[in-house]
Amino acid sequence: EAQVTQNPRYLITVTGKKLTVTCSQNMNHEYMSWYRQDPGLGLRQIYYSMNVEVTDKGDVPEGYKVSRKEKRNFPLILESPSPNQTSLYFCASSLIRGNSYEQYFGPGTRLTVT
Amino acid sequence: GDSVTQMEGPVTLSEEAFLTINCTYTATGYPSLFWYVQYPGEGLQLLLKATKADDKGSNKGFEATYRKETTSFHLEKGSVQVSDSAVYFCALSDRVGANAGNMLTFGGGTRLMVKP
Repeated sequence: EAQVTQNPRYLITVTGKKLTVTCSQNMNHEYMSWYRQDPGLGLRQIYYSMNVEVTDKGDVPEGYKVSRKEKRNFPLILESPSPNQTSLYFCASSLIRGNSYEQYFGPGTRLTVT
Repeated sequence: GDSVTQMEGPVTLSEEAFLTINCTYTATGYPSLFWYVQYPGEGLQLLLKATKADDKGSNKGFEATYRKETTSFHLEKGSVQVSDSAVYFCALSDRVGANAGNMLTFGGGTRLMVKP
């Protein structure tokens, strides 16, 4: 089954404790992206990757890191989490065709930083 | 920069009522336009899309027409069901200019609640 998986689905942590949220896709997509979803703000892009070893900042990259060492994986790293990073996080991937981008989303990771 | 504006929710309707969720956008060039739906506890799923002016996207009884003259992409359904209760996001993708490669820009989302 074609899918994007994220782990963990739920995470409660404390300020300053490094964490990683994993994302994996099995569709051989070049493009992968991380978003955060906050009430009234929709989804805002954190980082994206056009292919292996190619990453770039989105709209809200501060406090986050990413890596793309393999095509299928795109982990999101919070080196020193803070309470303002409490949010719902989504990973997405897409196969770029022509002028249309359909993104496939993972189920989300709900992060709480106390 | 690009932006998408949606009507604020929640929108509460009775089953079989007509639905309209407004969406307007600002973008350079000719963006592709999308509606994504998020059911409770799940990730977003593509509902429909349109890639050029006057195109109509449709799926599961939902429709939206790409109106370049009014920069709008309103979502409509003639008769909603309880199972349509979800959050709906309007989004655009702009391949030109400084945002090339930045893919999707989302609106704030509109929650729809359909009562039996």
